[in-house]
Amino acid sequence: AQSVAQPEDQVNVAEGNPLTVKCTYSVSGNPYLFWYVQYPNRGLQFLLKYITGDNLVKGSYGFEAEFNKSQTSFHLKKPSALVSDSALYFCAVRDIGGGGNKLTFGTGTQLKVEL
Amino acid sequence: DTGVSQDPRHKITKRGQNVTFRCDPISEHNRLYWYRQTLGQGPEFLTYFQNEAQLEKSRLLSDRFSAERPKGSFSTLEIQRTEQGDSAMYLCASSPGTNNEQFFGPGTRLTVL
Repeated sequence: AQSVAQPEDQVNVAEGNPLTVKCTYSVSGNPYLFWYVQYPNRGLQFLLKYITGDNLVKGSYGFEAEFNKSQTSFHLKKPSALVSDSALYFCAVRDIGGGGNKLTFGTGTQLKVEL
Repeated sequence: DTGVSQDPRHKITKRGQNVTFRCDPISEHNRLYWYRQTLGQGPEFLTYFQNEAQLEKSRLLSDRFSAERPKGSFSTLEIQRTEQGDSAMYLCASSPGTNNEQFFGPGTRLTVL
């Protein structure tokens, strides 16, 4: 079975500071990994994905994530946070070794960027 | 607008009634997914279509739930004899291939009284 853990319910950071939102996963095969962002009353928006290749993935709005196979992690990062980054962030995994086509999501991390 | 659309955006119903939701995927996407999201949780997979074929169903999808995608374009999700526990946001997503990200619609928020 595939699973995702987002250990922090909320992350607070000052504008201009770097931010990290943590994600670890568990799969039986190889993972496809995704980050999505959800703003209030809106659907999920895709940020970035890791399928294969370079472990450092760059995505929308200056976000990036690093795939670490030994630590089974895929933490989301941004060098300089903006107030407009405040939202709910979801990590998701697809197990290409037997998980079918579904995405399994974490419980989400609320990011709050303050002035 | 070329995004995923869902209708209605909100639905309030009484327990025991049937409801049906519609999803229109991005036109060139042959894969379509339904998820359910409750407050404080991430989306949970319900079912998956490739073209008109329903290829995967979650154990969450009880006998009261049925989904169709008759011509491989739009999809409907019907819930029969709704229960209060069915109250949630129902999300639809589509993708052009299995290696691609899924694009989500705005969701249908169901409230069962």
